[in-house]
Amino acid sequence: DAKTTQPPSMDCAEGRAANLPCNHSTISGNEYVYWYRQIHSQGPQYIIHGLKNNETNEMASLIITEDRKSSTLILPHATLRDTAVYYCIVRMHGSSNTGKLIFGQGTTLQVKP
Amino acid sequence: DAGVIQSPRHEVTEMGQEVTLRCKPISGHNSLFWYRQTMMRGLELLIYFNNNVPIDDSGMPEDRFSAKMPNASFSTLKIQPSEPRDSAVYFCASTPTAAKNIQYFGAGTRLSVL
Repeated sequence: DAKTTQPPSMDCAEGRAANLPCNHSTISGNEYVYWYRQIHSQGPQYIIHGLKNNETNEMASLIITEDRKSSTLILPHATLRDTAVYYCIVRMHGSSNTGKLIFGQGTTLQVKP
Repeated sequence: DAGVIQSPRHEVTEMGQEVTLRCKPISGHNSLFWYRQTMMRGLELLIYFNNNVPIDDSGMPEDRFSAKMPNASFSTLKIQPSEPRDSAVYFCASTPTAAKNIQYFGAGTRLSVL
């Protein structure tokens, strides 16, 4: 699996966009980028995933660079409830995949009032 | 759906005692995963099942740990005998077969072994 690198921590003002970067320079052509987050004292929560096109859902947007070596998770209007650890994971997709997710240290996002 | 349900939410036990953690996956999900989270090691996969069959238990720390999935709606993780270093938060997650990387996690069981 491709290794990911994330900054250990970031701050964001409430109501502003939070942009969380992830480097995955060794990603292969059939690997997707997944984002999860873990709010304090809760289990991890799936946010979004993508292959090479930008993706958006009700929670966030995912921007993947053209060479696919890095990506950015965007929370368009961060709230205090978005304070959490955000994990970027690279894995193959599909039923043949084992689903064996490897969570690194992630980025601790602190949203401040 | 109520999501993945884990019980108990908190467990405090003494060293040497048997501990059983329980998990009810989301109905219709074919894969189930047990994770452990500690400050030192982060979130690590212990074992996972596909269609009730254990597929990979390479993350199980030692023989004191065992996991079962007798049917599609129930799984247990047992520690016998428990040790203080087993203190951690244990998460269960489930997923539909076709999207194994989109996992739905329970709220976790916080285990303290004294």
